[in-house]
Amino acid sequence: QKEVEQNSGPLSVPEGAIASLNCTYSDRGSQSFFWYRQYSGKSPELIMSIYSNGDKEDGRFTAQLNKASQYVSLLIRDSQPSDSATYLCAPYSGGGADGLTFGKGTHLIIQP
Amino acid sequence: ETGVTQSPTHLIKTRGQQVTLRCSSQSGHNTVSWYQQALGQGPQFIFQYYREEENGRGNFPPRFSGLQFPNYSSELNVNALELDDSALYLCASSSARTGGYGSPLHFGNGTRLTVT
Repeated sequence: QKEVEQNSGPLSVPEGAIASLNCTYSDRGSQSFFWYRQYSGKSPELIMSIYSNGDKEDGRFTAQLNKASQYVSLLIRDSQPSDSATYLCAPYSGGGADGLTFGKGTHLIIQP
Repeated sequence: ETGVTQSPTHLIKTRGQQVTLRCSSQSGHNTVSWYQQALGQGPQFIFQYYREEENGRGNFPPRFSGLQFPNYSSELNVNALELDDSALYLCASSSARTGGYGSPLHFGNGTRLTVT
């Protein structure tokens, strides 16, 4: 059974600091990795995708992937109160039959 | 570009009843999948439709069924509702059959189902 582990939090970070969100996964066949942001009562919104080992930067967001360690992380620089949300990690191993396996998410709180 | 739309936004049903949830996929997307999100949990994959056929299913019983129409819109049907079916039901569309490599999911706003 595929498992995705995230620290549920809440993770409290001061405004302007770097927020670091971590995710480990069990399926070594995972090829694609997605980070979704979900505000309370809303649906998930894609913020980052990463497919290769290393770092991928998009604005204030950086995704880091280490397939050997089965670890993917999301860094948010210059954290803003609007970044307060639950962040969901979702690895995907392809094939079409299983859909995305989501972690339970990390609840991030940015303190003004 | 029209996004993913779901209806209704909220629904209250009684245990044992049946419910149908609807979804219109994003323009240009031919794959639709459904997820169930219980409170405090991540979304769980129910099933996926491509070209009007179910081509993937998660660990959900047969009383969860679906349809995809020629215009790529979709329905989720749940029979014999149970209290544990209370959740946010999310529809997602993508432009590839797998919805995975290179083709992330785009979610609708969801339908909040409450079973009493």
